[in-house]
Amino acid sequence: EAQVTQNPRYLITVTGKKLTVTCSQNMNHEYMSWYRQDPGLGLRQIYYSMNVEVTDKGDVPEGYKVSRKEKRNFPLILESPSPNQTSLYFCASSLDRGSYEQYFGPGTRLTVT
Amino acid sequence: GEDVEQSLFLSVREGDSSVINCTYTDSSSTYLYWYKQEPGAGLQLLTYIFSNMDMKQDQRLTVLLNKKDKHLSLRIADTQTGDSAIYFCAESLRDDKIIFGKGTRLHILP
Repeated sequence: EAQVTQNPRYLITVTGKKLTVTCSQNMNHEYMSWYRQDPGLGLRQIYYSMNVEVTDKGDVPEGYKVSRKEKRNFPLILESPSPNQTSLYFCASSLDRGSYEQYFGPGTRLTVT
Repeated sequence: GEDVEQSLFLSVREGDSSVINCTYTDSSSTYLYWYKQEPGAGLQLLTYIFSNMDMKQDQRLTVLLNKKDKHLSLRIADTQTGDSAIYFCAESLRDDKIIFGKGTRLHILP
């Protein structure tokens, strides 16, 4: 089954404790991206990757890092999480950046206390 | 700048038609989309329309695009309880960046 998976689905952590949210897709997609969803703000893109070893900043990259060592995986790294990074995070993938359909993961709800 | 606006809430009686509206600012949009987000799930592409079309119909869904007014709408005929969700309007720009609206929460009344 074609899908985007994220882990963990829920995470509660404390300020400053490094964490990684994993994202994996099984569709051989070149383009992957991370979004955060906040009430009243909709979806905002954090980082995206056009292909392996190619990553770029989205609209709200501050406080986040990503890597794309393999085509299928695109982890999101918070080196020193802060409470303003409490949010719902979505990973998405598509054939390429111009592809009309993005496939979204189920989301990761992160709380930073 | 690029922006996509939509109302935050809509309540509709079961069996009636729902119309969700969206306006966008960038006239260079190539595709416009409607995504559906059910509770606890990610976004799922519902339908899309190419910018040189003015209407697209797919079963109970009708998308209307008024390019002059930069207005996009989604009509859901015979609204069912399973249509209860958040609907996101989105546009893709010439550089393939996608801009999402804030989402419209559709509430179905019995």
